[in-house]
Amino acid sequence: DQQVKQNSPSLSVQEGRISILNCDYTNSMFDYFLWYKKYPAEGPTFLISISSIKDKNEDGRFTVFLNKSAKHLSLHIVPSQPGDSAVYFCAASMNAGGTSYGKLTFGQGTILTVHP
Amino acid sequence: ETGVTQTPRHLVMGMTNKKSLKCEQHLGHNAMYWYKQSAKKPLELMFVYSLEERVENNSVPSRFSPECPNSSHLFLHLHTLQPEDSALYLCASSPAQGEQYFGPGTRLTVT
Repeated sequence: DQQVKQNSPSLSVQEGRISILNCDYTNSMFDYFLWYKKYPAEGPTFLISISSIKDKNEDGRFTVFLNKSAKHLSLHIVPSQPGDSAVYFCAASMNAGGTSYGKLTFGQGTILTVHP
Repeated sequence: ETGVTQTPRHLVMGMTNKKSLKCEQHLGHNAMYWYKQSAKKPLELMFVYSLEERVENNSVPSRFSPECPNSSHLFLHLHTLQPEDSALYLCASSPAQGEQYFGPGTRLTVT
């Protein structure tokens, strides 16, 4: 049972346009969401996160939107650049669990290709 | 050296071999993680260590044995693996809560 799903395995976008990557989750206990980016032969790198008390978080060209009622989050990249071509993973956690560590549940990833 | 490092980067081993993967973090974090990434699958959490104590073991077969001698080092000991264990093994660390920082991974091939 996959609790975090990225239903689009791949996305192709022209340079300068907007990239929208989507992620759905099923566990309503998740209260913290993250996006990671992964280049080949490297580990995932943290991009941006959002707490469930917010519906939007922006950092430069990257904005994450959270729709709790729909259990859906999206990552917007604008303008897209060829260097953004990578695999993007969304992840979710239950920070309210009171543990001394953060357990992340990942989606399967979306391959983004930005064409010059 | 900063961040999270993993050695070796690539490993080919036979099913009867014993090998170990090493992870080291220089970020002062107190939680460390092992993940497995197989082709076209989400990252699968294998083990979590918090303050050098194992706090999560996600039904991982006993042929994988983790060890955390201190808060900066994490090992994954491998013994009598199967070909289906071939995957990218990623180590991560984090503060108590918040984002995890990943190493570059070890690409393991079991022949």
